[in-house]
Amino acid sequence: DTAVSQTPKYLVTQMGNDKSIKCEQNLGHDTMYWYKQDSKKFLKIMFSYNNKELIINETVPNRFSPKSPDKAHLNLHINSLELGDSAVYFCASSQAAGEAYGYTFGSGTRLTVV
Amino acid sequence: AQSVSQHNHHVILSEAASLELGCNYSYGGTVNLFWYVQYPGQHLQLLLKYFSGDPLVKGIKGFEAEFIKSKFSFNLRKPSVQWSDTAEYFCAVNPAGGGADGLTFGKGTHLIIQP
Repeated sequence: DTAVSQTPKYLVTQMGNDKSIKCEQNLGHDTMYWYKQDSKKFLKIMFSYNNKELIINETVPNRFSPKSPDKAHLNLHINSLELGDSAVYFCASSQAAGEAYGYTFGSGTRLTVV
Repeated sequence: AQSVSQHNHHVILSEAASLELGCNYSYGGTVNLFWYVQYPGQHLQLLLKYFSGDPLVKGIKGFEAEFIKSKFSFNLRKPSVQWSDTAEYFCAVNPAGGGADGLTFGKGTHLIIQP
């Protein structure tokens, strides 16, 4: 069983569209995250979500909104997509916020905005 | 806020060469330290981590890293690399003891091993 699964793996869409990426973890972890990896491979955290507490990286545009229906899911919804949103988005989870047990990453969603 | 600096963005080595990738961090408190590897087209995998105890940490695939607190460094080493080690390597930190800030990553080192 995949520990952290993301769908879709690839997403190609036009500017201005709204899209969602889904993430599910079956590890029983308490905290989930979204990271963005740009074309230069730089990884930056976008959101973390723990027990209904959402921490937002202040640099993330408000077109991006995480939605967590339950502890095992953290979806990413993006409104009015722009060319600069093209990137690989990784979901991750950890046993507890700030723990040293490591983070488990999903396989990524490659978003291409045309 | 914490930050991570990886000194080498691209490294090219021949098989069997020794490897050392530099990583320095900046943070006013105690941190947990990680090295992740990303093989081409794949997700991040944890190589090793340090949070307390012996500053020399051994990870998977023959990698090790040494935490030198006085230098704020956590360099990754491998005595003899293989072609299959070609990948992107990321150093990362998070504050110890709590907080949901997640990981702060360095900009990565692209390692190419030539046969």
